[in-house]
Formats: sequence, structure tokens, C-alpha cells
Amino acid sequence: QQPVQSPQAVILREGEDAVINCSSSKALYSVHWYRQKHGEAPVFLMILLKGGEQKGHDKISASFNEKKQQSSLYLTASQLSYSGTYFCGTVLINAGNNRKLIWGLGTSLAVNP
Amino acid sequence: DTGVSQDPRHKITKRGQNVTFRCDPISEHNRLYWYRQTLGQGPEFLTYFQNEAQLEKSRLLSDRFSAERPKGSFSTLEIQRTEQGDSAMYLCASSLEAGGTDTQYFGPGTRLTVL
Repeated sequence: QQPVQSPQAVILREGEDAVINCSSSKALYSVHWYRQKHGEAPVFLMILLKGGEQKGHDKISASFNEKKQQSSLYLTASQLSYSGTYFCGTVLINAGNNRKLIWGLGTSLAVNP
Repeated sequence: DTGVSQDPRHKITKRGQNVTFRCDPISEHNRLYWYRQTLGQGPEFLTYFQNEAQLEKSRLLSDRFSAERPKGSFSTLEIQRTEQGDSAMYLCASSLEAGGTDTQYFGPGTRLTVL
């Protein structure tokens, strides 16, 4: 049930691009992306609610392919401030019809000068 | 600052002692989550509330852990008879669950060290 993220780790030079993938064996109702910097709490980046949706701000964007049950996070022209661990979350509906966010294990991104 | 606050930010205790943490969520949020996180790992779900009802508790959680949200606002997490393995960052998050979104906003966390 836990979404699978790939790759586990990425090392970039400033200005390079990266893609982080998040896939699920279950149907996805929505996908959330969070970033956590070392020693800090996770911070919400964006949510994608519908298949085919694409969103972005600054040079970080994401897409949601409902059919393939996956989402991708795109980091373009990376900056040092992008370093951190990126988590995707997918919403699971449990037996009590309650929705809960299930987290992937994270992708560690390091941007070097 | 997301609007979620946690207290204390750091706690050092001796093995066997009880500790209690507090979380104040964003005021209009109906959901409140507790997570535990150790270095290099993702947040591990502990429990969550919708208003004052505790909807789910992780099966991995021992009965030394208990959480309350008595009036559907702030929440407390108590750990009894602490063990060294309880050392971790304890994160609280709140959300306004609506239409399947459940976007969570995290507090700064309470770092627990058990000696």
C-alpha cells in the first residue's frame, strides 16, 4: 500500500535537472509532495488531484498519471536550496471509509555547487 | 511557520520516566496526526484524530503510548516508562480533510532523547 519512490538518492550539480517518481499498486485518488530539510519538519509542496494534472511553482513541477498510478516531480535548473528529502504521499481509503495519507520512503536530493 | 505548534521542542529524559508532548494544530483543522521519525527515515505514522475521535492507531505502537485530543483542538502524546528506542523526533501535523485531499501541515517537532 505504501507508494514506491525512485530513485532513493540523487546527487546534482547546481543547475542540473532531476526527476523523482512515485508509483502505487493501488488506484491513486491524489498525490502529495513534501520536502524535508535536514533537522526540520516536512513542508508541503503541492497536491495533484486528477489524472493528467500538472502543477508547479518556481522551477519545481509535478504531473499525475492516473492510469499508470504514478506521479513524477520535476526539479529544473536545481538550486542549492532544493537539497533535502522529498516524500510523496498517496491517499488511502481504509475499511471505515476514512481517507489517510500514506507516505513513501523518500528520495534524498543533494545539490552541490 | 505553518501555524502548528509543538511543545516542548526538546526533551531529555531518563529511561523509565514518563513524558508528555503537546500539539496545537491550525485552528480550523479537523484532523491531527502524530508521527515518529528517526534519522534517515520517513515519518512513521503513530495515530490520528478526526475532531476528538481517535480513528486509527498504528499496530506497531506499544501500549506505553497514548494520545488524546479531548476537545478536538490540541492533542497530547504520552509515553510511559520510556526506553532508549523511543529516542526520535515526534512530529505533529494537522489537516482539513475534505474531498480526499488531507494536505498535512507539520509542526516543528519535539526531539526526545532517552538516556
